Amino acid sequence: DSGVTQTPKHLITATGQRVTLRCSPRSGDLSVYWYQQSLDQGLQFLIQYYNGEERAKGNILERFSAQQFPDLHSELNLSSLELGDSALYFCASSTTGETEAFFGQGTRLTVV
Amino acid sequence: TQLLEQSPQFLSIQEGENLTVYCNSSSVFSSLQWYRQEPGEGPVLLVTVVTGGEVKKLKRLTFQFGDARKDSSLHITAAQPGDTGLYLCAGTAYNFNKFYFGSGTKLNVKP
Repeated sequence: DSGVTQTPKHLITATGQRVTLRCSPRSGDLSVYWYQQSLDQGLQFLIQYYNGEERAKGNILERFSAQQFPDLHSELNLSSLELGDSALYFCASSTTGETEAFFGQGTRLTVV
Repeated sequence: TQLLEQSPQFLSIQEGENLTVYCNSSSVFSSLQWYRQEPGEGPVLLVTVVTGGEVKKLKRLTFQFGDARKDSSLHITAAQPGDTGLYLCAGTAYNFNKFYFGSGTKLNVKP
C-alpha cells in the first residue's frame, strides 16, 4: 500500500459526459501528479501541483482540468468525454515534487 | 523526444536467464528511480539512486547510477516469471521542474 488513495477504482460513462477523479496523497506529501495510461502505453504526464499551486503542465487537453485543495487532495475533471479518453488515470504524490513519487492504484475510465 | 530513453522496449526471456535494462539521458539527474508496474496496477517504487556511480542491490536486482548521473541500469539475475512487468525509470533533471518517466521496458519471463 503506497498510501495514495484514488477513487473511484472504476468508472464507466458515456461520450459527452463529465467525470471527476479524486486523489488523496500520502500523509505529508505536498506534491500531486496526474498521469494517463492508455492500453499498453507508457505513462503520459498530465499535470503537477505543489501545495495548491500548479507547478508543471504536460500533455493535458483543454477539456481536462485539475486542482489541489487546501487539504492537499486533488481532483482531475474530465469533460466532453470521447472514446479515446478511455484509459487508466494515475495519481502520484511526493514530498517536495522533486523526489520519488508514490502511485495510487489508478482509476480505470471507460467511455462508451 | 523523451528526456529518458529506455532500452530495450520489449524483452522476452526464459526463466533463469539474466537481463539488463538501460535508462539514458543527455541531461543530468539529481536522482533516478526505478519502478515496476503490473497490468492494471500502479507503478511501485523499487529503488532510488542518488550518488553518481552508486550501486544498489535488491535481492536478484542490481541498480547502477552512472558516474555522470545521466544514465542508469537495472540488472536482473536468474529471472523468474514473477519478474514479468513494465519497468520504468524516472527522475528529476537539474534545471527542469518536472518528474520525468522513461518509456518503459516490457519484460516477459517465460516459465
